[in-house]
Amino acid sequence: QKEVEQNSGPLSVPEGAIASLNCTYSDRVSQSFFWYRQYSGKSPELIMSIYSNGDKEDGRFTAQLNKASQYVSLLIRDSQPSDSATYLCAVIGYQKVTFGTGTKLQVIP
Amino acid sequence: NAGVTQTPKFQVLKTGQSMTLQCAQDMNHNSMYWYRQDPGMGLRLIYYSASEGTTDKGEVPNGYNVSRLNKREFSLRLESAAPSQTSVYFCASSESKTEAFFGQGTRLTVV
Repeated sequence: QKEVEQNSGPLSVPEGAIASLNCTYSDRVSQSFFWYRQYSGKSPELIMSIYSNGDKEDGRFTAQLNKASQYVSLLIRDSQPSDSATYLCAVIGYQKVTFGTGTKLQVIP
Repeated sequence: NAGVTQTPKFQVLKTGQSMTLQCAQDMNHNSMYWYRQDPGMGLRLIYYSASEGTTDKGEVPNGYNVSRLNKREFSLRLESAAPSQTSVYFCASSESKTEAFFGQGTRLTVV
C-alpha cells in the first residue's frame, strides 16, 4: 500500500461546478496535510494546509480532514479553466513529506 | 527573496557521465529533500535530510548520493548516469511539520 494515494484522473468538470479531489494516507501518526497545485512544466505550489479534523476554507478552496478515516479532500467551488492542473496531496509523517501521485483536473469552459 | 534555488535548470548527459545538482535555501529550514518526477509517477522521494549533518534514503535512492553541505545547501550527485535517470528533479525545504517549498526544477536527460 502506498503511503499517500490519489486517483490519477483526469477529473473533468464543467466551468462553475464543484471539483472534489480525494486523498488517503496510511500513516496514522501523520499530523500535517497539504494540497499543492502543479501546472505543467512548473513547480508545485502550496494552496491549502490543514492540521486538525474538520473543514478549512480559503476563498474558493475548502480542505477537509478526517484523521479517523485517514483521508483528506479538497473542494474547489466555482471551478475555472485556470484551475486546470495536477493537484498533489502531501502528508508529513515522521521527519519527511510524502506526496501522492496527483490528480489531474480539467475544467471544461 | 530567493526561497529555494536549484542549478542547473536543464542538463543533457551521456550515459556513464557524472554530475551534481545543487540546491540552496535561504529560509533557515532544517529539512531538505530531493524528489524526482516522472509522468504518471508523481513526486518520488530520493533522499532527504532532516537536519544539518544527517541524510536518509527515500523511496528511490539507488544510483544517487547526497551531501548536506551545511544548513543551506543540499546537493544530489549522479555518479554514473543512466537513461532511467532521465527525469525532472525537484529540491524542496521545510521546517518541521510545515509545508515544503520547491525549487524551479532541473530537467535532466540522459542519452
